[in-house]
Amino acid sequence: QKEVEQNSGPLSVPEGAIASLNCTYSDRGSQSFFWYRQYSGKSPELIMSIYSNGDKEDGRFTAQLNKASQYVSLLIRDSQPSDSATYLCAVTPSGSARQLTFGSGTQLTVLP
Amino acid sequence: DAGVIQSPRHEVTEMGQEVTLRCKPISGHDYLFWYRQTMMRGLELLIYFNNNVPIDDSGMPEDRFSAKMPNASFSTLKIQPSEPRDSAVYFCASSSSGGARFTQYFGPGTRLTVL
Repeated sequence: QKEVEQNSGPLSVPEGAIASLNCTYSDRGSQSFFWYRQYSGKSPELIMSIYSNGDKEDGRFTAQLNKASQYVSLLIRDSQPSDSATYLCAVTPSGSARQLTFGSGTQLTVLP
Repeated sequence: DAGVIQSPRHEVTEMGQEVTLRCKPISGHDYLFWYRQTMMRGLELLIYFNNNVPIDDSGMPEDRFSAKMPNASFSTLKIQPSEPRDSAVYFCASSSSGGARFTQYFGPGTRLTVL
């Protein structure tokens, strides 16, 4: 079983719709959770971090965390073609202060 | 401020040759990470340093790989001898223990092709 699992997609949504990206993790001791966006041929860039159960909103992005279910999600409201990218979920494994374990990523395409 | 700098951006070499990848972290960052990204295996952590000291190298695939950080502003990842299965994009990332918790900033990557 992979430590961090994501649906690889591709996920296609029409412009203006809500894109929902999901991630599950196996390490119950994980404390910090991140969403990175990676455009084709580019490096990952951090878009959201979340540490507590519940929702965290930043502009059009909302991260949701449920530690009991070991589940993290990212919602993108009013999706734009410029949101088309691969979204990587990352978690810090228990016992490690600084490492990140990445999921394989979900490829999102926003159709004009 | 300059971000993480990596060189070269592209490297094409032949099997058996030595390859050296270079990274300059963001000034003031005390953590440095080396990752490898492939379609099959995704983004994998190879090794990371804290204050120039290697902390965890359990991700280094085999003895052909080695990494050093002689000072706070420079690190190398060396593959000797290189093999076609080493073809991947290698990223360097840095973070600060004084900054936003665990935020890692990635360099542009080095695309390695081993023929």
